[in-house]
Amino acid sequence: GAVVSQHPSWVICKSGTSVKIECRSLDFQATTMFWYRQFPKQSLMLMATSNEGSKATYEQGVEKDKFLINHASLTLSTLTVTSAHPEDSSFYICSARHGARGLNQPQHFGDGTRLSIL
Amino acid sequence: LAKTTQPISMDSYEGQEVNITCSHNNIATNDYITWYQQFPSQGPRFIIQGYKTKVTNEVASLFIPADRKSSTLSLPRVSLSDTAVYYCLVAESNQGGKLIFGQGTELSVKP
Repeated sequence: GAVVSQHPSWVICKSGTSVKIECRSLDFQATTMFWYRQFPKQSLMLMATSNEGSKATYEQGVEKDKFLINHASLTLSTLTVTSAHPEDSSFYICSARHGARGLNQPQHFGDGTRLSIL
Repeated sequence: LAKTTQPISMDSYEGQEVNITCSHNNIATNDYITWYQQFPSQGPRFIIQGYKTKVTNEVASLFIPADRKSSTLSLPRVSLSDTAVYYCLVAESNQGGKLIFGQGTELSVKP
């Protein structure tokens, strides 16, 4: 089945540091990937849609200069949290959809990255 | 937006069948209904997807009435390991297929 891998799974860093999270589709090409954030006991919140070879589309209220997204290939999207602060601590999850099978194909999710900013 | 509404929580016992109903009154003609399962500190896991009538796979069944304004996920003979949050989602076909998560249903299976 479709597999999406996220790396790292867990990171702790100091305030002011920039952190990069990778999302890879391992056995399919994904023209579109999505980035979510989830706080404890809450649902997933869509942050942005990452399109291969073009700029990401951010949801309302998400700072594009704070959360940099790059989707340089059909199997890799990266999310960089720039100058992270404690309020950016959260569980970040990516998903990917098979590129050639239409918009109604189910998204497949990575196992998330736990980000803790001290 | 095809907003979904589902119960916040449900309790069940091992071996029982669990049915979780979701309403999506504003579903568009081309939209599919997808259900995911999420355990703590993990990403959501795809369970089943359907467009109309009934879909069945090795883990669940999905029932969708003719008007498609609701759907019911059926989990046969649940076990303790089925304790999780279940999300009903409708992909926004006119917005690139993005998913907007609702609150989900927290299912607790007891011995």
